[in-house]
Amino acid sequence: NAGVTQTPKFRVLKTGQSMTLLCAQDMNHEYMYWYRQDPGMGLRLIHYSVGEGTTAKGEVPDGYNVSRLKKQNFLLGLESAAPSQTSVYFCASIGQRDNSPLHFGNGTRLTVT
Amino acid sequence: KQEVTQIPAALSVPEGENLVLNCSFTDSAIYNLQWFRQDPGKGLTSLLLIQSSQREQTSGRLNASLDKSSGRSTLYIAASQPGDSATYLCAVDSNYQLIWGAGTKLIIKP
Repeated sequence: NAGVTQTPKFRVLKTGQSMTLLCAQDMNHEYMYWYRQDPGMGLRLIHYSVGEGTTAKGEVPDGYNVSRLKKQNFLLGLESAAPSQTSVYFCASIGQRDNSPLHFGNGTRLTVT
Repeated sequence: KQEVTQIPAALSVPEGENLVLNCSFTDSAIYNLQWFRQDPGKGLTSLLLIQSSQREQTSGRLNASLDKSSGRSTLYIAASQPGDSATYLCAVDSNYQLIWGAGTKLIIKP
């Protein structure tokens, strides 16, 4: 009964380094989302996917890329990390857009120095 | 562009009190509105989801209302307990994306 699992939980990067955050869900959900959460602000959508092989830009996509090669996995990549990308990143998923609630992972805390 | 606002940003009340958290949104064309709870260092847990055609939803001591015409939702918590201490966020489903408020940090004092 894992739900939505994010790895890693914590990461520290130096400016210019790259990394990939992994989100995995075992609920056969179609829709998956990547958000960032910064102090005093609501969650902001980075990218989302409406099904395997699809991706779309959200509110703040610059500096990030995503892939959804398998239905259960949604990867978020930072090609060249910047201090402005220091944040907590959350992945979420939903089966169908049928008034079911989002299921969230526990987040990845990323610090870019 | 849809914008979601939550007031107040923080609230501290004694245990046992009934309280109301507010959420307002600028565009009434929403698919649904959801209330979430977030504990420190944790992800978000869904509390209540109100479809656009509904006026309210209830779960235990929680009651959420929706007034699309005025762009408002309230989350009513009855007989508050210290375990209710958390940050409460509302989000509106607008065009396949959830637009979020910044949250209300609630502290229930024993």
